[in-house]
Amino acid sequence: SQTIHQWPATLVQPVGSPLSLECTVEGTSNPNLYWYRQAAGRGLQLLFYSVGIGQISSEVPQNLSASRPQDRQFILSSKKLLLSDSGFYLCAWSVHELKRTGGATFYNEQFFGPGTRLTVL
Amino acid sequence: SQQGEEDPQALSIQEGENATMNCSYKTSINNLQWYRQNSGRGLVHLILIRSNEREKHSGRLRVTLDTSKKSSSLLITASRAADTASYFCATGFPRMDSSYKLIFGSGTRLLVRP
Repeated sequence: SQTIHQWPATLVQPVGSPLSLECTVEGTSNPNLYWYRQAAGRGLQLLFYSVGIGQISSEVPQNLSASRPQDRQFILSSKKLLLSDSGFYLCAWSVHELKRTGGATFYNEQFFGPGTRLTVL
Repeated sequence: SQQGEEDPQALSIQEGENATMNCSYKTSINNLQWYRQNSGRGLVHLILIRSNEREKHSGRLRVTLDTSKKSSSLLITASRAADTASYFCATGFPRMDSSYKLIFGSGTRLLVRP
């Protein structure tokens, strides 16, 4: 079965310090990978996604960057954290191929990791 | 801006009652999914309804979709204290690079009192 791991679970960092959050997936190959941020009491905002090693797409301009050095590893980074970077960061994966159901409907479920709570002080 | 917006933002019910959460969205969709999030945890996929479906059931969950009103509802019947969580709708869009974009609403926080 597939599992997804994130670490650390919680992190408190000063403004201006660097950041590295890691996400790894087991039990599958060539997954699509996603980084989301969730502000307190809010929905999820997609930050980055990757459809393959070294392929990163950014959804919103920001202070963060992402990298995918290996097939099942996804890293979220920052050179200098801002207060506004605080939040709950979630990594997710989905199978690479879109599932097709009757007609032209394509879909995919995403499977989420446990998240990292980041507080920037 | 959020594609999906849930209503109500918070809901408190007694165990055994039914819970209904609504989701409205703005643009045409390929499908709509509902996810659940326990406090401080990741999201778990609950159910998906395609744009050409009107209703779908999974255990105690019932989802409806009205594309003319751009809305969906999630009904949890015979609620249990363990159903306490936040529930999010998400509209799905396939993309040319085979990725799949989900746009999440802001969620409904459900509290089921024992």
